[in-house]
Amino acid sequence: AQSVTQLGSHVSVSEGALVLLRCNYSSSVPPYLFWYVQYPNQGLQLLLKYTSAATLVKGINGFEAEFKKSETSFHLTKPSAHMSDAAEYFCAVSGYTGFQKLVFGTGTRLLVSP
Amino acid sequence: DAMVIQNPRYQVTQFGKPVTLSCSQTLNHNVMYWYQQKSSQAPKLLFHYYDKDFNNEADTPDNFQSRRPNTSFCFLDIRSPGLGDAAMYLCATSRDLPTGGDEQFFGPGTRLTVL
Repeated sequence: AQSVTQLGSHVSVSEGALVLLRCNYSSSVPPYLFWYVQYPNQGLQLLLKYTSAATLVKGINGFEAEFKKSETSFHLTKPSAHMSDAAEYFCAVSGYTGFQKLVFGTGTRLLVSP
Repeated sequence: DAMVIQNPRYQVTQFGKPVTLSCSQTLNHNVMYWYQQKSSQAPKLLFHYYDKDFNNEADTPDNFQSRRPNTSFCFLDIRSPGLGDAAMYLCATSRDLPTGGDEQFFGPGTRLTVL
């Protein structure tokens, strides 16, 4: 069964600092991988997704993620944090064949201080 | 703008009193999903519809039911809400079965409080 592990339930950064949110996946074959963001009392919004076209994926709001098969990782980064980036971030995985539901990680809350 | 709409945004019900949550979409997507998200947890899939084909997750309680009268609308019925059912309920859609990396589009959610 596929799964994702997000290291760190909370990550704190200062405004302007690098953001790094970690996600490792477990899958027998390279899966589809997603990062979603959730602002308080809102639904989830897709930041970016990996579909094997390119290992470095650029998303919205300046975020990007790199798929590393050797490390089974798909970490999310942003060079310079903004106050508006404070939110909950979920990594998710789905497979290729048949109906493959999204399997979410437990989430990482990003805190941005002035 | 094409979107997923959930009504109401906030719902308060009493213990044991049936409640219905509503979701509509203007994306014309085939698949609609209902998730339950408790505080500080990941969304948990309850069930999904592919067109009119209903698919229940194995661990979804019988207390939760769903209806999809047409492509655009989907309802979540909680027959006898308990205190443990207080959560955010998220509706999502996708174009087709997610066999090819189709993203899911989420509504803003309905926060259910059970008194």
